[in-house]
Amino acid sequence: DTEVTQTPKHLVMGMTNKKSLKCEQHMGHRAMYWYKQKAKKPPELMFVYSYEKLSINESVPSRFSPECPNSSLLNLHLHALQPEDSALYLCASSRGQTSSGNTIYFGEGSWLTVV
Amino acid sequence: ELKVEQNPLFLSMQEGKNYTIYCNYSTTSDRLYWYRQDPGKSLESLFVLLSNGAVKQEGRLMASLDTKARLSTLHITAAVHDLSATYFCAVDMSRTGNQFYFGTGTSLTVIP
Repeated sequence: DTEVTQTPKHLVMGMTNKKSLKCEQHMGHRAMYWYKQKAKKPPELMFVYSYEKLSINESVPSRFSPECPNSSLLNLHLHALQPEDSALYLCASSRGQTSSGNTIYFGEGSWLTVV
Repeated sequence: ELKVEQNPLFLSMQEGKNYTIYCNYSTTSDRLYWYRQDPGKSLESLFVLLSNGAVKQEGRLMASLDTKARLSTLHITAAVHDLSATYFCAVDMSRTGNQFYFGTGTSLTVIP
């Protein structure tokens, strides 16, 4: 079972709204990731949690706020977004460090539209 | 600044033909991954290459890694329509092993 589950699949929000994207995995993975993907572009790394601690923040604007409540869950809190933040947001997980050859498994993504 | 570039960006090929996609990266790494993405879908892991000279094969796809040249290739043999997708290479940049950067992607269309 290599499933990473993301909700919601689609989200439309106004620029003044507060919403959250949720991600769950039950594979016992200890690293979890958020990526952003614009149309016809490669995924861009946003955040990495390793053993429930934020280990990488790729200079993401503060209107995106990640949270890792436990080893199975990863949230991305959204506030005061801009239309250019509209994209596919991908959650991913891996057993641990990819230096050991651990593959990163991706969820189906959440399509976000900011109006 | 890290660059991960793929060549070509777009590839249209006939069924039954062979072709190679190239992935060049600009800094030292010995961990290279290949993914496939169908339109509107997530990414599917294809290959994990962990050392210089590594070669992996699955069906009509074969991937290799030359860390000295900072080059990975994805070779397609006797293409079929089902292989139509976008293919990404990804390089793990960190010593701790959690910093994945994706290449520019190659959009492959196999024509019957």
